[in-house]
Amino acid sequence: DTGVSQDPRHKITKRGQNVTFRCDPISEHNRLYWYRQTLGQGPEFLTYFQNEAQLEKSRLLSDRFSAERPKGSFSTLEIQRTEQGDSAMYLCASSPHGAGTGNTIYFGEGSWLTVV
Amino acid sequence: GNSVTQMEGPVTLSEEAFLTINCTYTATGYPSLFWYVQYPGEGLQLLLKATKADDKGSNKGFEATYRKETTSFHLEKGSVQVSDSAVYFCALNAGNMLTFGGGTRLMVKP
Repeated sequence: DTGVSQDPRHKITKRGQNVTFRCDPISEHNRLYWYRQTLGQGPEFLTYFQNEAQLEKSRLLSDRFSAERPKGSFSTLEIQRTEQGDSAMYLCASSPHGAGTGNTIYFGEGSWLTVV
Repeated sequence: GNSVTQMEGPVTLSEEAFLTINCTYTATGYPSLFWYVQYPGEGLQLLLKATKADDKGSNKGFEATYRKETTSFHLEKGSVQVSDSAVYFCALNAGNMLTFGGGTRLMVKP
């Protein structure tokens, strides 16, 4: 079990540039989530996938953000025309598909974004 | 909507002291409740969970009981260690994703 893997771990970019983060979930996990966490705050939900289908998006996910999971395995989160307010840690998580709300959701170590 | 409220930190304790971190929630339906821990520079790790009323989750000496009547899920540990220093997040899942509280930083001094 290799856990949820995220890449890169840290990214510094200039305002206006595009950035892309990659997430590899735990194998056989159907669900994949993206969260954003700013310093001193709890994680905030952005979006989630069931296999390759993006089933829900938060209003936090502006038009500059796009997430994909083309083959139902890894996922990418792209931020276009980055702004300083995008500086945060982007967390990916995965869980097995199953009924009920009690499934454990496993998190990666996050990708830190700093926009300068 | 769903929400989680945690006591604000930081909480500073001496080693072997008793720990309580309060957590209350608002949710539709019957959520599952979770405590996650985040060590510096790392992602979140599940500490414990409870999926129905009166369930007690426990792990590594930490405990929390799902109290539906008070909509609470307080985290407790009888004797904290320096290695328990971290940020603790209470969370609920009432549907398809986790909703987190703001986190409580715990600092344990030797």
